[in-house]
Amino acid sequence: QVQLVESGGGVLRPGGSLRLSCAASGFTFSDYYMSWIRQAPGKGLEWISYISSSSSFTKYAESVTGRFTISRDNAKNSLYLQMSSLRAEDTGVYYCVRGGGPDYANYWGQGTQVTVSS
Amino acid sequence: EIVLTQSPATLSLSPGEGATLSCRASQSISIYLAWYQHKPGQAPRLLIYDASNRAPGIPARFSGSGSGTDFILTISSLEPEDFAVYYCQQRRNIRGAFGGGTKVEIK
Repeated sequence: QVQLVESGGGVLRPGGSLRLSCAASGFTFSDYYMSWIRQAPGKGLEWISYISSSSSFTKYAESVTGRFTISRDNAKNSLYLQMSSLRAEDTGVYYCVRGGGPDYANYWGQGTQVTVSS
Repeated sequence: EIVLTQSPATLSLSPGEGATLSCRASQSISIYLAWYQHKPGQAPRLLIYDASNRAPGIPARFSGSGSGTDFILTISSLEPEDFAVYYCQQRRNIRGAFGGGTKVEIK
């Protein structure tokens, strides 16, 4: 069955950097768009980035443009999110998702917590 | 940017009652709308895609309708496990992808 397992979350200071990873299994990873979606405490869902199956196309929400970079390694069935210049408002649970672009978010990981605090 | 407005913000109902959730888009999105269910501590789950198609494994009590700017999620008879937050999502633009959510709570 489809599994998405995030890792790399943690607690860090404003201005810091962090790299999230997502290990995918149970499907042909290279066939699908992949995304990161987050939820800040007490807030709704925010789709922050997606990447096409071959990495040829990426898209970012305005809130993270220029600070976050999405990437993937199809040989390793892995998705990444490099986050830099982190702010308090980046605090939240980050979900790895199969979907994005023309595809809906039909599979989700359990999420990894990122806390940015001074 | 497309803005999705969900109403009501909270719906207080009893098990066995029906629920009607609304999602309105600021511009036409054709049928490119999905509904998700989100329970605390769990990953969200896709319920409905392309406005009216149930995702695999989703019970028949969940149905979606609408096109253009106005969409409805209907739960015909609430089961105890249906009390959760529901989000609509459009796939035309990553910006403003999700509505603000409707919380369906036990009355």
